[in-house]
This record gives sequence, structure tokens and C-alpha cells, in this order.
Amino acid sequence: GENVEQHPSTLSVQEGDSAVIKCTYSDSASNYFPWYKQELGKRPQLIIDIRSNVGEKKDQRIAVTLNKTAKHFSLHITETQPEDSAVYFCAASKRTGFQKLVFGTGTRLLVSP
Amino acid sequence: SQTIHQWPATLVQPVGSPLSLECTVEGTSNPNLYWYRQAAGRGLQLLFYSVGIGQISSEVPQNLSASRPQDRQFILSSKKLLLSDSGFYLCAWSVSVGPQHFGDGTRLSIL
Repeated sequence: GENVEQHPSTLSVQEGDSAVIKCTYSDSASNYFPWYKQELGKRPQLIIDIRSNVGEKKDQRIAVTLNKTAKHFSLHITETQPEDSAVYFCAASKRTGFQKLVFGTGTRLLVSP
Repeated sequence: SQTIHQWPATLVQPVGSPLSLECTVEGTSNPNLYWYRQAAGRGLQLLFYSVGIGQISSEVPQNLSASRPQDRQFILSSKKLLLSDSGFYLCAWSVSVGPQHFGDGTRLSIL
């Protein structure tokens, strides 16, 4: 089955710096890759997703890149702000009529003012 | 717009007691429904998913079960809770191949 590895487990940056979180997946048939942000005690919220027919997607300060050949995808946050502090999860699935997401283990991002 | 409701928000139960967590979705028909568990400081583990009424698929063999008695209702149950059942339980929904959206979760503590 699918296996998703996520690195780093923790990431500390200064406000205004960029942050990059990387994930690798094992199943070459996976073609949908969402990213979720989870604040302490709250539900995971979808922040961006990418499908395998594109290599990059941007939404304001957030971008995701996908390298299908290498089977890895990354989340890029530019101009980080303290409110970006949270745990970020990547996931992967195959589009088989419903999503059976396999999640990474999460990255705790701390943005210091 | 679509909304998802989960209750209760928190629950403290003794070992060996039964469990029933409920999740309902509004604003959409025939959603795909999911139950996840998140242990403290860990990732999300898929427990059950359902693509329609009465259709339940289990991902992890354990003492939990799920049911979908109505199109937009998903219930997670147990006859006898174990200490290892403690965690944050999240219900999620999606339509067709759209993104999954999570409820606010139930924090379950077993004593």
C-alpha cells in the first residue's frame, strides 16, 4: 500500500523567512496530494492541493510543487507570519471514485516574531 | 454551503464502557464519509470509510465499528472501550473526487 514520509518533523523559522516541508510517496499510481494545516486542538483544514497533471500550484504565500518522477512533493510558505505556526500534514491518494488518503506524520512549524 | 457536525466535542469514558460518536453532514447528497483517529502528537489514521448508506469499509481491525444509517449520518461505535482507544476522532466528508473536509473532532479519554 501507499506510504507517505514527511520531513522535517519540526521546523523553526523567523517571521518573514520561507519554510519548506517535503513529502515522498511510494505508490506511483497516487495522483492527488493535499496539504492540511492543524492548529492546536483544532481540526485539520485544507490549505492547498495538487493533482498529478500539474507540477506547481500557488495560492498567495503558499505553493506546492510535485515531482512525479521522483515521487515527492513540497509545501512552500513565503513571508511566514506567526499565525502560520501549526502542524502541517501532507497526504496522497489515488482517484478511484473516493479518496483513501494516506497522511504523513506531520511537521510542526514554529514562526517566531 | 456544506457543513459537518460532530458530537460530543469531548468525552471521558471508563474502560469497558460503550461508545457512540455521531457525525452529520449538511448541504450535500451522497457524500463519502470517513472516520479518522489521531493519537496525541501523531498523524491521522483512517479507521472506516463509506461511499453510501449501509456500505462500510474497515481499514484497521480493532474493537471499533461504524454504521451509516442515513445518507448524511456516520456513527462510530464500540461495545467495550480499551485504554488504547483514547485519541482525537475526526469525521470527514468528500464528494466524488473532491477534497476531504474535517469536522471539529471528538477528544476521547479513557480512564
